[in-house]
Amino acid sequence: GAVVSQHPSRVICKSGTSVKIECRSLDFQATTMFWYRQFPKKSLMLMATSNEGSKATYEQGVEKDKFLINHASLTLSTLTVTSAHPEDSSFYICSARVSGLSNYGYTFGSGTRLTVV
Amino acid sequence: GENVEQHPSTLSVQEGDSAVIKCTYSDSASNYFPWYKQELGKRPQLIIDIRSNVGEKKDQRIAVTLNKTAKHFSLHITETQPEDSAVYFCAAMGNQGGKLIFGQGTELSVKP
Repeated sequence: GAVVSQHPSRVICKSGTSVKIECRSLDFQATTMFWYRQFPKKSLMLMATSNEGSKATYEQGVEKDKFLINHASLTLSTLTVTSAHPEDSSFYICSARVSGLSNYGYTFGSGTRLTVV
Repeated sequence: GENVEQHPSTLSVQEGDSAVIKCTYSDSASNYFPWYKQELGKRPQLIIDIRSNVGEKKDQRIAVTLNKTAKHFSLHITETQPEDSAVYFCAAMGNQGGKLIFGQGTELSVKP
């Protein structure tokens, strides 16, 4: 149980285009979703926290207009990288909290490898 | 906000030896400390966690210790095996909306 499905797993896009990444909670309701970014051989850096039905909270230094987060339902949160540039190439991963699990209920999506050419 | 420091960044051990990875955190209100193993291009996998009301927890070859006063916690892997080779991350959860803040990661290499 407590599975987060993340799509796409890999995407290559041209500079200037936008890319949408989806995270769906398959068997639970995710009221909160965390979005992370990970560069090769680096840590997971928290980008923002999305809450269903309200605006996302962004971490310091993360551009709100560039990384659009929508959490319109209890089972779907999306991250859109707008006007992507090569420096946006990274591994993006979502994580949702699940109530009731002994480990405070953090479950991760499988990640999206974004390459901007 | 919370800040987590992790050391060492790389660790190489011989098969059968022990490996220790250490983390410190800044927010005294943090109360949950998980450890994750991540293989290249994959999602982090929880290997063990500890809450602030416990000083030590063990699960077979893996153990975690927590010193709340000093604000540091450590991962101990005994009898290491080549399949333990991966990147390990510590994390801390504070009171700010349940955010998990990760350490920088340790690349563990277990040589046969």
